Amino acid sequence: AQKITQTQPGMFVQEKEAVTLDCTYDTSDPSYGLFWYKQPSSGEMIFLIYQGSYDQQNATEGRYSLNFQKARKSANLVISASQLGDSAMYFCAMRVVGSARQLTFGSGTQLTVLP
Amino acid sequence: GAVVSQHPSRVICKSGTSVKIECRSLDFQATTMFWYRQFPKQSLMLMATSNEGSKATYEQGVEKDKFLINHASLTLSTLTVTSAHPEDSSFYICSARRRETGELFFGEGSRLTVL
Repeated sequence: AQKITQTQPGMFVQEKEAVTLDCTYDTSDPSYGLFWYKQPSSGEMIFLIYQGSYDQQNATEGRYSLNFQKARKSANLVISASQLGDSAMYFCAMRVVGSARQLTFGSGTQLTVLP
Repeated sequence: GAVVSQHPSRVICKSGTSVKIECRSLDFQATTMFWYRQFPKQSLMLMATSNEGSKATYEQGVEKDKFLINHASLTLSTLTVTSAHPEDSSFYICSARRRETGELFFGEGSRLTVL
C-alpha cells in the first residue's frame, strides 16, 4: 500500500520569500510518480509539478521546484518568491506506475502568504 | 488543455432525496474516471473508480448502493447520491484519465449540502 505524509497542517510565509512544503512517501513499488496540487478556496485542483521515480533531476516549473530525495523518500515542494495568490491548500500525491489505482493524497498543508 | 467539467457545482437538497452529479471530459476520451470525497480541511478520499462500460470499483467502506456510479460513455461518468442525508454533505470531485496519454485531469468539484 502507498502512503503519503504531510506533517505541516499550516504554514505561513512572507510575500516574496521562499517556502518549503514537506512530503514523505512510502511504497514498495520501484516505479511511481509524485505530484503536487494546489487547491484554492474555490475547490478546484490545480496541478503544479510532477516527479517520476526514475527522473535524475529535480522537477521545476516556474516558481515551483520539487526537492526529490529518493533515499529519504521525500518530495518537498519549494515555492520561490511567494505571492499572495499562492495562499491555498497544497496536496502531495503519489501514483504507482501501471497501477489502476488513482492518486493517493497526503493530508495537505494550508499555506498562507502574508503581505 | 484538457477540461473536465462537473455539474452542478453546488447543490442543496432535502434529506431523503437523490442527487446526481455529472463529470464530463470535454475534449478528450476518458477510459477511467475517479470519484473523490473531501470533507472541510481534509484530504481527498477515493470513493470509486469507474471504467467505461463496466461496473465501478468501490473503495472499502463506501456503500455502492448509496453512491451509484455510472460510466456510460468515454466522456461521461455520473455519481448519484441516493436517499441523501446530512452526513453525505461534502465536496465531491471527479478526475478523468485521458485515454491516449494516461494524464489525469480534475473537475471543478461539486459541493453537496443536504438539509
